[in-house]
Amino acid sequence: EAQVTQNPRYLITVTGKKLTVTCSQNMNHEYMSWYRQDPGLGLRQIYYSMNVEVTDKGDVPEGYKVSRKEKRNFPLILESPSPNQTSLYFCASSLLVNSNQPQHFGDGTRLSIL
Amino acid sequence: DQQVKQNSPSLSVQEGRISILNCDYTNSMFDYFLWYKKYPAEGPTFLISISSIKDKNEDGRFTVFLNKSAKHLSLHIVPSQPGDSAVYFCAAYIYAGGTSYGKLTFGQGTILTVHP
Repeated sequence: EAQVTQNPRYLITVTGKKLTVTCSQNMNHEYMSWYRQDPGLGLRQIYYSMNVEVTDKGDVPEGYKVSRKEKRNFPLILESPSPNQTSLYFCASSLLVNSNQPQHFGDGTRLSIL
Repeated sequence: DQQVKQNSPSLSVQEGRISILNCDYTNSMFDYFLWYKKYPAEGPTFLISISSIKDKNEDGRFTVFLNKSAKHLSLHIVPSQPGDSAVYFCAAYIYAGGTSYGKLTFGQGTILTVHP
């Protein structure tokens, strides 16, 4: 089954404790992206990757890191999480970078930073 | 600066009637628009899209209309069904050239409730 898988689905942690949210897709997609969803703000892009070893900032990259060492994986790293990073996070992928292929989303990761 | 806006946080409709969800944008460079539907505890799923060279696109019960001069798009669902109850996001991106290709800009979302 074609899918985007995020782990964990839920996490409660404390300020400053490094965490990683993994994202994996099995569709051989070139493009992958991370979004956060906050009430009244919709989804905002954090980082995106056009292919292996190619990443770029989205609209709200502060406090986050990403890497793309393999085509299928695109982890989101919070080196020193803070309460304002409490949010619902979505990973997405699409087949080609510059195409009209719609993005496929994972089911989300709800992070709570205390 | 919200470049894509959905000014109605919620919409309530009777089953069988038409649902109309609206979306406005400010960036005239946007030339491709999408609607996503999101159920609780799931990720958004693609619903329908439209290119700026068109003013209408239909897919079954779903039709998207684009008015470029007004920088406005709308999603019509006819007839509405209880299973359509979800959050609907409109999104836009610049497809033709430029450095922002692949970068989706989303609206805030509209919660649609369809009553039996």
